Amino acid sequence: DSGVTQTPKHLITATGQRVTLRCSPRSGDLSVYWYQQSLDQGLQFLIQYYNGEERAKGNILERFSAQQFPDLHSELNLSSLELGDSALYFCASSSQSGGGTIYFGEGSWLTVV
Amino acid sequence: ILNVEQSPQSLHVQEGDSTNFTCSFPSSNFYALHWYRWETAKSPEALFVMTLNGDEKKKGRISATLNTKEGYSYLYIKGSQPEDSATYLCAFIRTEYGNKLVFGAGTILRVKS
Repeated sequence: DSGVTQTPKHLITATGQRVTLRCSPRSGDLSVYWYQQSLDQGLQFLIQYYNGEERAKGNILERFSAQQFPDLHSELNLSSLELGDSALYFCASSSQSGGGTIYFGEGSWLTVV
Repeated sequence: ILNVEQSPQSLHVQEGDSTNFTCSFPSSNFYALHWYRWETAKSPEALFVMTLNGDEKKKGRISATLNTKEGYSYLYIKGSQPEDSATYLCAFIRTEYGNKLVFGAGTILRVKS
């Protein structure tokens, strides 16, 4: 158990809908990262927050947004969902803003039908 | 272009064989290199975080070396066991890209007993 908690574990939704994925980092970790793992691609970095502020941005679509709250949990919002958004979404946390060990949650499986 | 290449793509070995994989990355503005082990149906688990040229890290039968000047890292597994079967990911941070951890596609290792 990495200490990173993600909910929901599985989600099935229809195209055009909006979902929110939630992540609670390890106790004391200030950095939260979001990654997408789809069938045909490797682990793709989406976005990182450090202590409530956006720190780095990857290939995150405009339909997606994220935030980190004062209690350090983070949410990834996915809207106007398309079939291609079906993937495993990982949240990870670390104590540092960059370079330190990153601990991954178990992921949220999103299936868009 | 920020590219992390891993080779081979997959590897099938017999129990007891020693094996090694390569991770290649751009050598300029190096900040850190991570190795992760990712078992099916689990989340990636950190093996090593390496920051210094010439670094060698070891964890049991697994070890890694780092050459930041030429842009490569090797991961070695001595006396492979079936439980070593997993995908081994390397990930790279470059200073000019902030804290964006870019993952390679991974090397899939299957160890037959």
